[in-house]
Amino acid sequence: GQQVMQIPQYQHVQEGEDFTTYCNSSTTLSNIQWYKQRPGGHPVFLIQLVKSGEVKKQKRLTFQFGEAKKNSSLHITATQTTDVGTYFCAGQNSGYALNFGKGTSLLVTP
Amino acid sequence: DAGVIQSPRHEVTEMGQEVTLRCKPISGHNSLFWYRQTMMRGLELLIYFNNNVPIDDSGMPEDRFSAKMPNASFSTLKIQPSEPRDSAVYFCASRTGGSAFFGQGTRLTVV
Repeated sequence: GQQVMQIPQYQHVQEGEDFTTYCNSSTTLSNIQWYKQRPGGHPVFLIQLVKSGEVKKQKRLTFQFGEAKKNSSLHITATQTTDVGTYFCAGQNSGYALNFGKGTSLLVTP
Repeated sequence: DAGVIQSPRHEVTEMGQEVTLRCKPISGHNSLFWYRQTMMRGLELLIYFNNNVPIDDSGMPEDRFSAKMPNASFSTLKIQPSEPRDSAVYFCASRTGGSAFFGQGTRLTVV
């Protein structure tokens, strides 16, 4: 079945540094979604990418979908303490299911 | 809309007892998912329903787990008998083709 791998598992940065998490799928995806989970909270939807090579931005966050639609990345520029949390990618193929990666936990030190 | 509502928020039970987790999806959403989250395994998809019909339950760990969706506004996940290794946060999520909306989760502790 479809597997979604995400790296790194953890990242600790100083406030102001950049951060990137990578997501790779074993199969071609119809779309990929990104979620953020704050400590003690639940996953919250950030964005969905559908087209091959698509790039979307949300303020300091940049999301990319690979040309082969098998990989994706999330880049945060100039991290802030409010960025702390776990970032998940979730891949969908032809079915209804969203298969989540294990997430990257980001810690930002002031 | 109040979002996806799960109950209870916390459950502590003894090994061997039956546990029932409940979920009310967002009105109008036709897909419902049950996930389990642990530090070791991350977010695991247990089962999902589309239009109240179970589509894929291959993620259900074993026969001790069962899930139902008797109507569009209610679903249950039952564990009988419960075991300590079932301790986790269980999330319910609903969607209608786009993003998934998660409930607050039920933190289950089996002692």
